[in-house]
Amino acid sequence: DIQMTQSPSSLSASIGDRVTFTCRASQNIDYHLNWYQQKPGQAPKLLIYAASSLQSGVTSRFSGSGSGTDFTLTITSLQPEDSAIYYCQQSYRTLQITFGQGTRLEIK
Amino acid sequence: EVQLVESGGGLVQPGGSRRLSCAVSGFNSVNYWMSWVRQAPGKGLEWVAHIKEDGSERYYGDSVKDRFTISRDNAKNSLHLQMNRLRAEDSAVYYCARVRDIVQADFDNWGQGTLVTVSS
Repeated sequence: DIQMTQSPSSLSASIGDRVTFTCRASQNIDYHLNWYQQKPGQAPKLLIYAASSLQSGVTSRFSGSGSGTDFTLTITSLQPEDSAIYYCQQSYRTLQITFGQGTRLEIK
Repeated sequence: EVQLVESGGGLVQPGGSRRLSCAVSGFNSVNYWMSWVRQAPGKGLEWVAHIKEDGSERYYGDSVKDRFTISRDNAKNSLHLQMNRLRAEDSAVYYCARVRDIVQADFDNWGQGTLVTVSS
């Protein structure tokens, strides 16, 4: 299986800040990387697909980049509602999907 | 509006079986692969299974292979997960999810989840 490692495991930031999360794959996955946001008690929400494509309806404060093994999710102008856990997911092996362990974002 | 509503969760004894269902509406399900994804309490996300639009292909995660069966009834707009030989480690919230594009295998719509607890 392709292992996905996210860092940091948790992060605390202030309203208005710019934050960046990292996701690293154990092998090359080209651009087959998706990002999700999950708030407590809710289902995950797709934010970014194909490493950098913004899902319809998602604010442009979210952006993704990267290819190969290293990927980033960036949130600009942090808002209180951005407090959540963020997961990356590889789809290079479409029939053996794996997720990262998540990064918890706390808003100070 | 796209909606996915899971049902069938509950308490099951180890070694037992459970069938989960997902009712879908607001889109033509025959055009989409569908999946189940689970999340153990306080843990991360784990992909469980995929099923092709017409049900002709099914794929499973290693931890559930040979115990779980994914199926669909497009005429009834429903997705199912038959879970057999359940173990404590299968305890989780089970989400059904729509696959936006199987090449990218991203999940663009999710249900609210149904909790399965495997315990004696």
